[in-house]
Amino acid sequence: AQSVTQLDSQVPVFEEAPVELRCNYSSSVSVYLFWYVQYPNQGLQLLLKYLSGSTLVKGINGFEAEFNKSQTSFHLRKPSVHISDTAEYFCAVSEGSGYSTLTFGKGTMLLVSP
Amino acid sequence: ETGVTQSPTHLIKTRGQQVTLRCSSQSGHNTVSWYQQALGQGPQFIFQYYREEENGRGNFPPRFSGLQFPNYSSELNVNALELDDSALYLCASSPPRAGSNTGELFFGEGSRLTVL
Repeated sequence: AQSVTQLDSQVPVFEEAPVELRCNYSSSVSVYLFWYVQYPNQGLQLLLKYLSGSTLVKGINGFEAEFNKSQTSFHLRKPSVHISDTAEYFCAVSEGSGYSTLTFGKGTMLLVSP
Repeated sequence: ETGVTQSPTHLIKTRGQQVTLRCSSQSGHNTVSWYQQALGQGPQFIFQYYREEENGRGNFPPRFSGLQFPNYSSELNVNALELDDSALYLCASSPPRAGSNTGELFFGEGSRLTVL
């Protein structure tokens, strides 16, 4: 069975500072990896995804993530955050087993202050 | 392109009651999945519907049931509501399966259920 661990429940950061949100996964097979963002009282929006190919993936709103197979990690980064990036971020994994099932981490709340 | 829409957005029920939540999939998507997101937690997979049949189920009791209609819209029904059923219920759709299924899902805004 697959699982996702998001190591930080909350990450406070000042505006314009860089940020990294950590994600580790476990799976016995090859996986697809995703980061979703959830703004207050809203659904989930896809930030970026790793399916294959280059291990550095660029997404929307200036976010990027790097897939590291040996460390089973998929950390999310942004070089300079904005107040509007304050939200909950979820890492998710799919084994692409024939139907689309995502296993999510518990989420990391990114709190950006002025 | 119309995204995933869910109704109602908010509702309050009491223990023991039954609830039906509705979801319209994104245009062109034929698979619908339901997730439960409790407060402070990540979404948990309930089940998925494909071609009007349940196609995968998470660790939820039988009182959680669903339907998918020919137009690919879907319903989630929960019987005998318990306090712990209070959560945001998310519907997600995905496009027709090709040779490689990536697992990417497109989510609606959710239905927030409060059980008193």
